[in-house]
Amino acid sequence: KNEVEQSPQNLTAQEGEFITINCSYSVGISALHWLQQHPGGGIVSLFMLSSGKKKHGRLIATINIQEKHSSLHITASHPRDSAVYICAVRSGGGATNKLIFGTGTLLAVQP
Amino acid sequence: DGGITQSPKYLFRKEGQNVTLSCEQNLNHDAMYWYRQDPGQGLRLIYYSQIVNDFQKGDIAEGYSVSREKKESFPLTVTSAQKNPTAFYLCASRRTSPSGELFFGEGSRLTVL
Repeated sequence: KNEVEQSPQNLTAQEGEFITINCSYSVGISALHWLQQHPGGGIVSLFMLSSGKKKHGRLIATINIQEKHSSLHITASHPRDSAVYICAVRSGGGATNKLIFGTGTLLAVQP
Repeated sequence: DGGITQSPKYLFRKEGQNVTLSCEQNLNHDAMYWYRQDPGQGLRLIYYSQIVNDFQKGDIAEGYSVSREKKESFPLTVTSAQKNPTAFYLCASRRTSPSGELFFGEGSRLTVL
């Protein structure tokens, strides 16, 4: 079993829909990242959080440390949100700060 | 604008040849990383460097080598010893602080013919 599991693996939505992508992990973490990978391959960091909730525009990320679970929400989805969304957890401390990546959720928003 | 530049974006190589992927950052970040991405798998760490002239093996270092002679540069060499080098390679950097956000390059796609 992977240490970081994302669901769903694939998601198709209609423009305007509210979208939720989930991430569960089985290791102790110091932080969790949500990343967006564009069709060309480049990756952008959306959020880094260690507790609670963060919001940026139409994107909201939440984390529940006790339940080892995080969600990424997209409100009023748009075709330009189509991308792969990747959850990654920072495990361990000190110099290594190892990142463990989920396999990603492929989101397609149709007009 | 600050960021990470990877080159080349696409690279074709014959079996038995070494190839070097470039990664340059102007973010003044201490830590730099190389990841490999394969279909259906999460990114896997090849090598990382926390400071100039020092680097450590990641989870899949065999068949790869790196150097860190300058803070801005962290090139990755894919050697002929790497048995399955065809993949997408991503370079990243961050400040070595608890709140250090991760920045990625645009990636390099290597195909071995």
